[in-house]
Amino acid sequence: DGGITQSPKYLFRKEGQNVTLSCEQNLNHDAMYWYRQDPGQGLRLIYYSQIVNDFQKGDIAEGYSVSREKKESFPLTVTSAQKNPTAFYLCASSAETGSNEKLFFGSGTQLSVL
Amino acid sequence: SQQGEEDPQALSIQEGENATMNCSYKTSINNLQWYRQNSGRGLVHLILIRSNEREKHSGRLRVTLDTSKKSSSLLITASRAADTASYFCATDTGRRALTFGSGTRLQVQP
Repeated sequence: DGGITQSPKYLFRKEGQNVTLSCEQNLNHDAMYWYRQDPGQGLRLIYYSQIVNDFQKGDIAEGYSVSREKKESFPLTVTSAQKNPTAFYLCASSAETGSNEKLFFGSGTQLSVL
Repeated sequence: SQQGEEDPQALSIQEGENATMNCSYKTSINNLQWYRQNSGRGLVHLILIRSNEREKHSGRLRVTLDTSKKSSSLLITASRAADTASYFCATDTGRRALTFGSGTRLQVQP
């Protein structure tokens, strides 16, 4: 079954803790993205990666970090520097960036602060 | 900042009625896409309209694009309770990643 898998579905973070959200795709897509969604809001771009071992900051990258060591995987770490991390995090992929490609989304991770 | 802004923010209609959502954007685009999101889930791509197209159909969906007004509309005909969801427009400027609007929450009453 092809698609994007995000885990966990729910995640709780304590003060001062870093947490990592997993995103795996088996669509053989080059490009992957992380978006943040706050209640009743649209999506804001955190980071994106066009190819393995390369990634770029989006509009709200502060307090987040990513890696892209494998084509299939694009984990997002929410660091303790992110003071307001409670949100719904969505991972997506596309065959390429900037070329009329549609995005395929995972089912999201809800992150809450304890 | 958000490139696209949807209007209305929320819409409630009866089953069988048509639902129209509008999207305005600020800069030139390569294409505009519409996505649907069921509560607590990821987004699903509905339709893509390129900058040189004016109208596109897919099943009960009709999308229009007016690049001179920098606006698009999504029409869902003969709505069903299962159409209840949030709908987002997203603009592709060819630079990096899609920019999403704030969405329209559609409630279809059975």
